[in-house]
Amino acid sequence: GENVEQHPSTLSVQEGDSAVIKCTYSDSASNYFPWYKQELGKRPQLIIDIRSNVGEKKDQRIAVTLNKTAKHFSLHITETQPEDSAVYFCAASKSNYQLIWGAGTKLIIKP
Amino acid sequence: NAGVMQNPRHLVRRRGQEARLRCSPMKGHSHVYWYRQLPEEGLKFMVYLQKENIIDESGMPKERFSAEFPKEGPSILRIQQVVRGDSAAYFCASARQDTEAFFGQGTRLTVV
Repeated sequence: GENVEQHPSTLSVQEGDSAVIKCTYSDSASNYFPWYKQELGKRPQLIIDIRSNVGEKKDQRIAVTLNKTAKHFSLHITETQPEDSAVYFCAASKSNYQLIWGAGTKLIIKP
Repeated sequence: NAGVMQNPRHLVRRRGQEARLRCSPMKGHSHVYWYRQLPEEGLKFMVYLQKENIIDESGMPKERFSAEFPKEGPSILRIQQVVRGDSAAYFCASARQDTEAFFGQGTRLTVV
């Protein structure tokens, strides 16, 4: 079955710098890749997603890239701000829509 | 659309009691997922249901845990004879086919 690996488990960056979180997946049939942000004590919320028919998607300071050949996708956050501090989860799914989750990355923004 | 509603938000049970966690999906959503999360850890998949059917329960312990999503009413995650190790946050999420999943606010279960 599908397996999703996420790295790093913890990422500490200086405020204003960029952060990159990477995920790899095993099932080449996966076609939907969302990223969720979970702030402390709150529910996970979708921040951006990408489908397998595109290679990159951008929304203001957040972008996701997908490399289908290598079976990996990445979250890029530019000009990081304190409110970006949270745990970020990637996931992958096929058309039957069972999400397989990465283990999460704790992003710490240093002032 | 009120979003995914979970109740109760906090639940305290003594060891050996039963815990019932409810999840009302968003209107029009027929897919429900249950996840368990320990402090400082990731989301652990438990079970995936569509209306009246369990599609995948591979993440759910074989004993004491059960889930249902009836034709009418909320999805229920039931934990019988709770133990301290069951203490966690339990999140449900709902989705339509091939769209993003929306999470509820979670139920924080404490077993004393």
